[in-house]
Amino acid sequence: QVQLQESGPRLVKPSETLSLTCSVSGYSISSGYYWGWIRQSPGKGLEWIGTVSHSGSTFYSPSLKSRVTISVDMSKNRFSLNLSSVTAADTAVYYCARDFFGSQPFDYWGQGTLVTVSS
Amino acid sequence: EIVLTQSPGTLSLSPGERATLSCRASQTVRNNYLAWYQQKPGQAPRLLISGASSRATGIPDRFSGSGSGTDFTLTISRLEPEDFAVYYCQQYATSPWTFGQGTKVEIK
Repeated sequence: QVQLQESGPRLVKPSETLSLTCSVSGYSISSGYYWGWIRQSPGKGLEWIGTVSHSGSTFYSPSLKSRVTISVDMSKNRFSLNLSSVTAADTAVYYCARDFFGSQPFDYWGQGTLVTVSS
Repeated sequence: EIVLTQSPGTLSLSPGERATLSCRASQTVRNNYLAWYQQKPGQAPRLLISGASSRATGIPDRFSGSGSGTDFTLTISRLEPEDFAVYYCQQYATSPWTFGQGTKVEIK
């Protein structure tokens, strides 16, 4: 059974960088698939942030592309999200999920972690 | 990007009743790559339907999806108490992937 778990700071100051990690168990990232980040805020609902392939190719939402970096660490079987220059509008629950990048939807999701942007 | 509009915003029904949820896309969803998710408070979305009409593993057959092109429907044939939740549609045909704003199915 594939399981995903988000971790990282729950409080980030405005203008700083939000950093989250998603640890995957029950499946080796190096074996394939894509791995994505989605966020959910009251104001914007569910929003896809971006996706990384097992080989490190990245795909970002155009609305966030200038501030997002997603990377994969196969040695630790995890992938990470960095979102720079955050504002209060970036306050949301952040989810990681297994993606298929265009052939299937997100099937396995992490439980989500609330990140608040505040000074 | 493809904008998904769900209706109604809220559906008030009783257990045992039939629920019909709509998702309309601003442009054709190629290959009918349209999914439906269920979300309960404090939980991640749970995949119900992919490819507009294929139930995910373990999803009861009271959930069914239909539609093509720009108009899609999720039907819950007889609502069980555990079905009261928020439902989202999502397209994964054209990047960026996008979600609808959700339909809340509440107990009447």
